Amino acid sequence: DTEVTQTPKHLVMGMTNKKSLKCEQHMGHRAMYWYKQKAKKPPELMFVYSYEKLSINESVPSRFSPECPNSSLLNLHLHALQPEDSALYLCASSQPSRDRDHEQYFGPGTRLTVT
Amino acid sequence: SQKIEQNSEALNIQEGKTATLTCNYTNYSPAYLQWYRQDPGRGPVFLLLIRENEKEKRKERLKVTFDTTLKQSLFHITASQPADSATYLCAYGTNAGKSTFGDGTTLTVKP
Repeated sequence: DTEVTQTPKHLVMGMTNKKSLKCEQHMGHRAMYWYKQKAKKPPELMFVYSYEKLSINESVPSRFSPECPNSSLLNLHLHALQPEDSALYLCASSQPSRDRDHEQYFGPGTRLTVT
Repeated sequence: SQKIEQNSEALNIQEGKTATLTCNYTNYSPAYLQWYRQDPGRGPVFLLLIRENEKEKRKERLKVTFDTTLKQSLFHITASQPADSATYLCAYGTNAGKSTFGDGTTLTVKP
């Protein structure tokens, strides 16, 4: 199974809502990532978890809160978002071993619209 | 800070020709460079990775080179097909697992 799944596919939320994005992989990967991608722009790294510990936080506002309950799951909790946070949110995973060199597998993304 | 640039925003070629995409980086040398393909509304798909001590990597019709002197990677698709039309992203990586993507080049292969 070389698939990364993300739910939901689409999400519309108001600025006062609280919602969560979910990501799951069953490839045994021990690194998982959240990226944000705006239209016609490249993915921008937000967070990296390595062995279920947060290893990289790219100065993301606190209204985004990541969580890694176990090695297969990654969540992104959203609260009090702004319209400019509307984007495609991508989850990825990789196996951080010397041989695999962080080849990343991406999910299909969650299209988030903040109204 | 490290910067990565893909020279062309768009590239149009005729079916059967070789497409060549360029990725340049500045400042320090990355541990490796990766190339991904992204179709509209979908997540990127990994294609090839080349390490700093490698000159060339091949996979089927794909070839990537890494020139640390020029600070440049070239990505080639030989015998291109309309199905190769997509956005191709170059990304540099560190041993800490952090990847930074270029803006991408949108390739259109015309029949």
